[in-house]
Amino acid sequence: EVQLVESGGGLVQPGGSLRLSCSASGFTFSSYAMHWVRQAPGKGLEYVSAISSNGGSTYYADSVKGRFTISRDNSKNTLYLQMSSLRAEDTAVYYCVAVLLGDWGQGTLVTVSS
Amino acid sequence: DIQMTQSPSSLSASVGDRVTITCRASQGIRNDLGWYQQKPGKAPKRLIYAASSLQSGVPSRFSGSGSGTEFTLTISSLQPEDFATYYCLQHNSYPPWTFGQGTKVEIK
Repeated sequence: EVQLVESGGGLVQPGGSLRLSCSASGFTFSSYAMHWVRQAPGKGLEYVSAISSNGGSTYYADSVKGRFTISRDNSKNTLYLQMSSLRAEDTAVYYCVAVLLGDWGQGTLVTVSS
Repeated sequence: DIQMTQSPSSLSASVGDRVTITCRASQGIRNDLGWYQQKPGKAPKRLIYAASSLQSGVPSRFSGSGSGTEFTLTISSLQPEDFATYYCLQHNSYPPWTFGQGTKVEIK
């Protein structure tokens, strides 16, 4: 059974930083591109970032480009999202997603507020 | 970037009704599309992959169709547990992969 477990969310002040982690199990993590998707309160789903299976290619939505960094450690079956210069509009539940498998984590809430 | 236009944004329906939701892609995406159901406070759950393949464990009242630029999710007989928000997601070529805006299915 595929499991994706996010951690690292919380309350942070504007301009602050946070690192999200996603621990994966139940599939060959190193064979799949991985993705971060977020959902602001009461809003739809927003595709945030992606990383190829070997980490060699990354993608960022314009809204987070230059502020967020996606990475992965295939030896630890873990996906990361380093978030810096956080803004109020980054407040959302962040999901770790293995899109081609159709599996999502339970999400971790990031709240950016003073 | 490929844009996904999903309609309607919301609908009201009764138990037993047939419901249809549409996603239109701004360019051809073959069948690289999935449909997701999301209930409040929960992560999305994939119902359909490859435009028309039913995810294991998903009731057969859900079906998907389409290819290229026009896609449809159909619920043949709406059940109480189906009241939720539905999204399409295209994953053709390199990211960004894009979601439709969502369709909220409410009780009439």
